Amino acid sequence: GAVVSQHPSWVICKSGTSVKIECRSLDFQATTMFWYRQFPKQSLMLMATSNEGSKATYEQGVEKDKFLINHASLTLSTLTVTSAHPEDSSFYICSASSQGAGGYGYTFGSGTRLTVV
Amino acid sequence: QKEVEQNSGPLSVPEGAIASLNCTYSDRGSQSFFWYRQYSGKSPELIMSIYSNGDKEDGRFTAQLNKASQYVSLLIRDSQPSDSATYLCAVLLNTGGFKTIFGAGTRLFVKA
Repeated sequence: GAVVSQHPSWVICKSGTSVKIECRSLDFQATTMFWYRQFPKQSLMLMATSNEGSKATYEQGVEKDKFLINHASLTLSTLTVTSAHPEDSSFYICSASSQGAGGYGYTFGSGTRLTVV
Repeated sequence: QKEVEQNSGPLSVPEGAIASLNCTYSDRGSQSFFWYRQYSGKSPELIMSIYSNGDKEDGRFTAQLNKASQYVSLLIRDSQPSDSATYLCAVLLNTGGFKTIFGAGTRLFVKA
């Protein structure tokens, strides 16, 4: 089945630094990937839709200058949290479908737990 | 109104019982619905997808969809302690672009 690889699985960084998270589709091409954030005991909140070769579409309330998304190839999307602060500490998860953006069921990466100290 | 609503639970059932998880959604035009299971500290994994009214069975899991009532449910038969997790209902929206919106999830505990 479709596999989405995400790394790092966890990262601790100092406040004010930037962190890059990678999401790769291993056995399929993903023209669209999605980035979610999940705070403890809460559901997944869609942050942005990453489109290969074009600008990402951000959800309302998500700062595009803070959460930089690059989808430079059909198998790789990156999320960079710039000038991270403790309130950015969260579980970040990417997902993609091997059947396209309207595909049926999405595979999730393993997630990245970010802790900003 | 939230786009996807679930009872947060926790829902506690004894081992071997049927667990019933419910979800309602607001977008009447939605066509694709999913149930994901998420263990603590892990990312979600897809259990079931359903697109047509009625029931869809896969092993111990049965998804039920009623588009007129904007309601989707998941039944877990012969519940096992390993089924203890948070179950997320998800709806695929097409608002000029596809995106999946998740409910808050229902925590299920299966007691041995």
